[in-house]
Amino acid sequence: NAGVMQNPRHLVRRRGQEARLRCSPMKGHSHVYWYRQLPEEGLKFMVYLQKENIIDESGMPKERFSAEFPKEGPSILRIQQVVRGDSAAYFCASSPARTSVYNEQFFGPGTRLTVL
Amino acid sequence: TQLLEQSPQFLSIQEGENLTVYCNSSSVFSSLQWYRQEPGEGPVLLVTVVTGGEVKKLKRLTFQFGDARKDSSLHITAAQPGDTGLYLCAGDRHSGGGADGLTFGKGTHLIIQP
Repeated sequence: NAGVMQNPRHLVRRRGQEARLRCSPMKGHSHVYWYRQLPEEGLKFMVYLQKENIIDESGMPKERFSAEFPKEGPSILRIQQVVRGDSAAYFCASSPARTSVYNEQFFGPGTRLTVL
Repeated sequence: TQLLEQSPQFLSIQEGENLTVYCNSSSVFSSLQWYRQEPGEGPVLLVTVVTGGEVKKLKRLTFQFGDARKDSSLHITAAQPGDTGLYLCAGDRHSGGGADGLTFGKGTHLIIQP
């Protein structure tokens, strides 16, 4: 039973380029969450998606950042015109569809983005 | 958004000692999760606590949820070098339970020296 998969594991971009980060949730999970971890800071929530719907994007910067979770295929976090401050580890997590007081989320290994 | 504070931020002890780390908030959480993260990897879920006063054990790790569901602690008995890592607590960003983004504490960096 494969866990959450993210690719690429490492991504290097020059300022102004676009970064695309992919996340495949665990089998049977239909909720996907993206988080960002900066050095010396904790994990910060960015966006919560279900298939074809953005549920909560209140943690995502208003400009240059977008996320999607299409009916088929992985969830994508897209960063346009990257700047050095976007350098961070980006983590995806998933949880099952059932409604439960347990908000257990399972994390992928992350994508480490470096902007030159 | 609900906030979590963890203490201590850093802890370095000798193998075989016991330790406790804390996760505190002024907000009530429907559940709290503890994760461990190693360098270059994603957080790994250790436990979820749901009921006020609940105690869960995972081998040498004991997790407790406060009676008021505002705080939690992690106690490690006879720490081993393999316990080294970043310990994170997390809870729902909004009250009410169910699926939701998580708010994380900044974590406790634990080093167990052989």
